[in-house]
Amino acid sequence: EAGVAQSPRYKIIEKRQSVAFWCNPISGHATLYWYQQILGQGPKLLIQFQNNGVVDDSQLPKDRFSAERLKGVDSTLKIQPAKLEDSAVYLCASSYREGPYEKTQYFGPGTRLLVL
Amino acid sequence: AQSVTQLDSHVSVSEGTPVLLRCNYSSSYSPSLFWYVQHPNKGLQLLLKYTSAATLVKGINGFEAEFKKSETSFHLTKPSAHMSDAAEYFCVVSDRTGNTPLVFGKGTRLSVIA
Repeated sequence: EAGVAQSPRYKIIEKRQSVAFWCNPISGHATLYWYQQILGQGPKLLIQFQNNGVVDDSQLPKDRFSAERLKGVDSTLKIQPAKLEDSAVYLCASSYREGPYEKTQYFGPGTRLLVL
Repeated sequence: AQSVTQLDSHVSVSEGTPVLLRCNYSSSYSPSLFWYVQHPNKGLQLLLKYTSAATLVKGINGFEAEFKKSETSFHLTKPSAHMSDAAEYFCVVSDRTGNTPLVFGKGTRLSVIA
């Protein structure tokens, strides 16, 4: 079974530039998550999708971050404009529901972003 | 509200000796608890999870953890460390349904000395 795919793996940009990350979840996983992991910290949820709808985006800095999952499969996370403090690893994860339960999340390898 | 405290930011052990990574949790709900491992430049991999069954949970690569409700702890152990165990380990809490966000600890870096 193929895992969660992410691209690019690494990205270096200058502040005020824009950047986009792509994620393809495990086939059949309706739930998709984007996390931000700053160096030395645990991942923090940015946004959660159920199919193509947003379930939770309370931690997403909406003035500069946006995400979409138009067809309910793959997803794009965008930052515009980037700030120095956005330097982090951006992780995508997916899971599926079984009745009322959301099952285990599986993570992709992440995209490491450096903002100069 | 839920939170996780990993009591050690860095643990160093010799190869072949036991590993103990400590985690305390706080949860308003009956929790699910997880340990994830992150090797350099790789994604997070699930080691083991506790939902509501046996309090002693066995995971991959010889790791296990014990849920102790009275102590609000979920410590990770392994009888004998291997060089390949060197990585970052995260203790994570959610509710039983999985419908609340995963809350990660800050991580414990495990070093294994030859």
